[in-house]
Amino acid sequence: AQSVTQLGSHVSVSEGALVLLRCNYSSSVPPYLFWYVQYPNQGLQLLLKYTSAATLVKGINDFEAEFKKSETSFHLTKPSAHMSDAAEYFCAVSYYGGSQGNLIFGKGTKLSVKP
Amino acid sequence: DTGVSQNPRHKITKRGQNVTFRCDPISEHNRLYWYRQTLGQGPEFLTYFQNEAQLEKSRLLSDRFSAERPKGSFSTLEIQRTEQGDSAMYLCASSLGGTWGNQPQHFGDGTRLSIL
Repeated sequence: AQSVTQLGSHVSVSEGALVLLRCNYSSSVPPYLFWYVQYPNQGLQLLLKYTSAATLVKGINDFEAEFKKSETSFHLTKPSAHMSDAAEYFCAVSYYGGSQGNLIFGKGTKLSVKP
Repeated sequence: DTGVSQNPRHKITKRGQNVTFRCDPISEHNRLYWYRQTLGQGPEFLTYFQNEAQLEKSRLLSDRFSAERPKGSFSTLEIQRTEQGDSAMYLCASSLGGTWGNQPQHFGDGTRLSIL
């Protein structure tokens, strides 16, 4: 069965510091991987996606993620945190031929940014 | 692209009442999904439509839950005889067709259900 593990339910960084949010997946078939961001009382906004093209994926707001098959990881990074990045981040997986493309989400990582 | 629209944004009801939520997807999207999100958790898949056909239902979707998508446009999710455990955020998402799984899903802002 496919699953997603996000290490660290809460990450705190200083403004201007590197952001690293960890995601590991479990899949018996090649996965499609996504990162979403959720602000309070809002839906999820797509940050970036991996769909078997380039392993280094660039997204919106200077976020990027690298697909590492050998480590079954898809960690999200941003070189310099802004106060506006404070939100909850979700990693999700789907796969070809699976349950019609429905997403399997991790439990989320809440990012706090200190001034 | 006007985005996915969900109504109402908030619903407070007494235990045992029926509730209905509506989702209007992005107009050119033929796939529509419903998810449930409880506090501190990621969204969990409930059901999925391809056009008007409901193609999959999660085991989370008990017989008190029903979803429709008449004419392949908007969708409704109804919960009958609500229980305390139904309190959650209900999220709707839509996507284009294509190879299963590789199209990103676009989410609405959700309907937050509170059961008194």
